[in-house]
Amino acid sequence: ETGVTQTPRHLVMGMTNKKSLKCEQHLGHNAMYWYKQSAKKPLELMFVYNFKEQTENNSVPSRFSPECPNSSHLFLHLHTLQPEDSALYLCASSQAVASGGLSSYNEQFFGPGTRLTVL
Amino acid sequence: TQLLEQSPQFLSIQEGENLTVYCNSSSVFSSLQWYRQEPGEGPVLLVTVVTGGEVKKLKRLTFQFGDARKDSSLHITAAQPGDTGLYLCAGVYQGAQKLVFGQGTRLTINP
Repeated sequence: ETGVTQTPRHLVMGMTNKKSLKCEQHLGHNAMYWYKQSAKKPLELMFVYNFKEQTENNSVPSRFSPECPNSSHLFLHLHTLQPEDSALYLCASSQAVASGGLSSYNEQFFGPGTRLTVL
Repeated sequence: TQLLEQSPQFLSIQEGENLTVYCNSSSVFSSLQWYRQEPGEGPVLLVTVVTGGEVKKLKRLTFQFGDARKDSSLHITAAQPGDTGLYLCAGVYQGAQKLVFGQGTRLTINP
């Protein structure tokens, strides 16, 4: 049990569907992240939320839309995806420092991921 | 672009053997982490190193941070099938906050 949960664990969707991924962390952290993990590629950071504010959008296409209603919950809304978007989507959380910046250690705790397949 | 290179990318050895995997960069890290990821799961943090030359041990795993804080190694003694997984190094570059991941070493320990 890592303290970070993700639902659903598996998702198959067509290119015209709209779906959402959900992440919840029970660690009292105040920074949350979305990563994309594809075969043969390093983990790709997509979005960072720090104290509920989006602080990074790593040139992610607009068909991915994040939402962070509070420091414990993070969503990734998906619409009109492409087959190349099929991947493992990982959520992570970490503890930001009091000044609002990320810790220089930035130790991250990951959820189990959502395996997304776009047909 | 700051790159973090891991080697080897794939390693398959017999139970009981020793192995070392490497993580290298041309830039200095303020901290470096090692994670292990098993199939169908997210990465799990194993260790964080912050001081040049630092050595940390976790049972049969020994982690070393280079003196110049640009590289790190993970040594496993007497590998067991339960060590099988994807080993990821990740670092925070000096002056930055973002965690940058290497592409990983996929380790298979055969019984």
